[in-house]
Amino acid sequence: EPEVTQTPSHQVTQMGQEVILRCVPISNHLYFYWYRQILGQKVEFLVSFYNNEISEKSEIFDDQFSVERPDGSNFTLKIRSTKLEDSAMYFCASNRGDTDTQYFGPGTRLTVL
Amino acid sequence: AQKITQTQPGMFVQEKEAVTLDCTYDTSDPSYGLFWYKQPSSGEMIFLIYQGSYDQQNATEGRYSLNFQKARKSANLVISASQLGDSAMYFCAMREGKDSGYSTLTFGKGTMLLVSP
Repeated sequence: EPEVTQTPSHQVTQMGQEVILRCVPISNHLYFYWYRQILGQKVEFLVSFYNNEISEKSEIFDDQFSVERPDGSNFTLKIRSTKLEDSAMYFCASNRGDTDTQYFGPGTRLTVL
Repeated sequence: AQKITQTQPGMFVQEKEAVTLDCTYDTSDPSYGLFWYKQPSSGEMIFLIYQGSYDQQNATEGRYSLNFQKARKSANLVISASQLGDSAMYFCAMREGKDSGYSTLTFGKGTMLLVSP
């Protein structure tokens, strides 16, 4: 069964460094998302992406964040200058156009020191 | 106001018994969808079940069913015949506005379910 994959599973970085989180959505899906979950809290929407552009973004998704689909399979989230409060689990998700059930990847746990 | 409210921080159930996890939602949009996801201790988010606002029947997927009461704005998850592997955090989520295509999900705070032998 096709699934969303994410790499790395765990990323440790120093405050102020740039990180890129990678996702490979399910191949026939058209809509892509990033969510984050700070430890012990609920999952929060960051951004949605369709047809090579951002469809919607939340207040969390400020100028430090960017997304890209550099080729036909990868979908990336970049954080330019990480802060301590960026430490969280980051989930990529995708869905087909005809249904809106989103399938999530296993997550990348980002730790900013 | 919270869009998704899960009032049970934790629930305990014995193996083979049924359990209901509560979820209430708040929206003025006539078109919306409700989802339940399971998050085991390993961290991944596993889709369980979906209910659309226009669906006449309650959704079912194996041992999972969704008790959808539209007038009360509740979408409770019922797990029948609980198994030890059901121990996890369960999140209720809502999609508003669009029938399909892209849509953002708003999540509740979750309910931790522990199944004992």
